[in-house]
Amino acid sequence: GEDVEQSLFLSVREGDSSVINCTYTDSSSTYLYWYKQEPGAGLQLLTYIFSNMDMKQDQRLTVLLNKKDKHLSLRIADTQTGDSAIYFCAETSSGGSYIPTFGRGTSLIVHP
Amino acid sequence: ETGVTQTPRHLVMGMTNKKSLKCEQHLGHNAMYWYKQSAKKPLELMFVYSLEERVENNSVPSRFSPECPNSSHLFLHLHTLQPEDSALYLCASSPSVELPGADTEAFFGQGTRLTVV
Repeated sequence: GEDVEQSLFLSVREGDSSVINCTYTDSSSTYLYWYKQEPGAGLQLLTYIFSNMDMKQDQRLTVLLNKKDKHLSLRIADTQTGDSAIYFCAETSSGGSYIPTFGRGTSLIVHP
Repeated sequence: ETGVTQTPRHLVMGMTNKKSLKCEQHLGHNAMYWYKQSAKKPLELMFVYSLEERVENNSVPSRFSPECPNSSHLFLHLHTLQPEDSALYLCASSPSVELPGADTEAFFGQGTRLTVV
């Protein structure tokens, strides 16, 4: 299986909350990231969490980390049409280099 | 604007052509990366340079040839590509591949959309 796994699609209604999930396999992961990719653009770092944290909140974004289950989630409150994009989960580990490993990305579709 | 600039943004090339992709960063980062993003596949790491030395090459065909003349610039030279090489090629940079505890997030360019005909 892949090192970082995400579901491929999520559809939500404008104003609802979105929750994008990610699982990873490397128990030595130190930093975990969420990136956003809008159509025709590169990846933009949204937020990241260090592995000794359980939660991080940044305005409408909430990141939850369950290190025991190797599960990361990104919650977007009050989702807007401008949030429609692909969201990538990524991790770097302490086993040598800090080269990030990415999931396939989750396409978030926000409809009115 | 992330501080990582890629040119060109779009490129169409024939299978017998030779072209180069360019990436530039002035963030003071020591590590630079090439990724390939194809439809329905995970982001694929192609090459990693740390302090201008190649540290990783993930079994990439020799028709892709990277070059890192200094820590601010990274090139990907292309020759005799195949249609299946059509993809978005993303460049990224990060402070380091080796420093534990440092901010390690990667900054990405906007990518070059490559079409091989």
